[in-house]
Amino acid sequence: DVQLTQSPSTLSASIGDRVTITCRASQSIRRWLTWYQQKPGKAPKLLIYETSFLQDGVPSRFSGSGSGTEFTLTISSLQPDDFATYYCQQFSDFPTFGQGTRLEIK
Amino acid sequence: QVQLVESGGGVVQPGGSLRLSCAASGFMFSKYGLHWVRQAPGKGLEWVAVILYDGKNIYYRDAVKGRFTISRDNSKNTVYLQMNSLKVEDTAVYYCAKDSLEEAAGTNSFDYWGQGTLVTVSS
Repeated sequence: DVQLTQSPSTLSASIGDRVTITCRASQSIRRWLTWYQQKPGKAPKLLIYETSFLQDGVPSRFSGSGSGTEFTLTISSLQPDDFATYYCQQFSDFPTFGQGTRLEIK
Repeated sequence: QVQLVESGGGVVQPGGSLRLSCAASGFMFSKYGLHWVRQAPGKGLEWVAVILYDGKNIYYRDAVKGRFTISRDNSKNTVYLQMNSLKVEDTAVYYCAKDSLEEAAGTNSFDYWGQGTLVTVSS
């Protein structure tokens, strides 16, 4: 199985900050990586697919980059609605998820 | 609009069975793969199984092989997860999720999710 490791596990930031979350794969997954946002008690929401394509309706402050084994999700200017848990997911092989990054208010 | 509505969760003893259902609407059901993804309380997401659009290609995570069965009924726009020989570690919210690509040969991103149904395995 392809293992995904996210860092950091928890991130404290303020409104307006630029934040970056990293996802590392145990082997190359080319660009087959997705990012989701999940709020407590809710289903995950697709943000970015195939590393860098923004899902319809997702604000442009979200962006993704990377290839191979290292990927990043960047939020350019944090808004109140962005405090949530973020997961990466690969589909190069059977789907696996990273362990999640909890983004909290500083 | 796309909707996925899960049902069938509940409390069951170890070794018991449950059948989850996911009723879909708002898209051409027969053209998309459907997945089950679970999340144990306070934990991360874990993919469980997929049934591709053709209904013939089915895959499971190792931990549920031989115990869980995924199926679909295109006439009812519904996907099912039959769970047998349940274990305490199967306790989780189970989400139904739609594959993002039409008539895909493999798995992709999950572009729509249901609200989830809670399965609790406890004596």
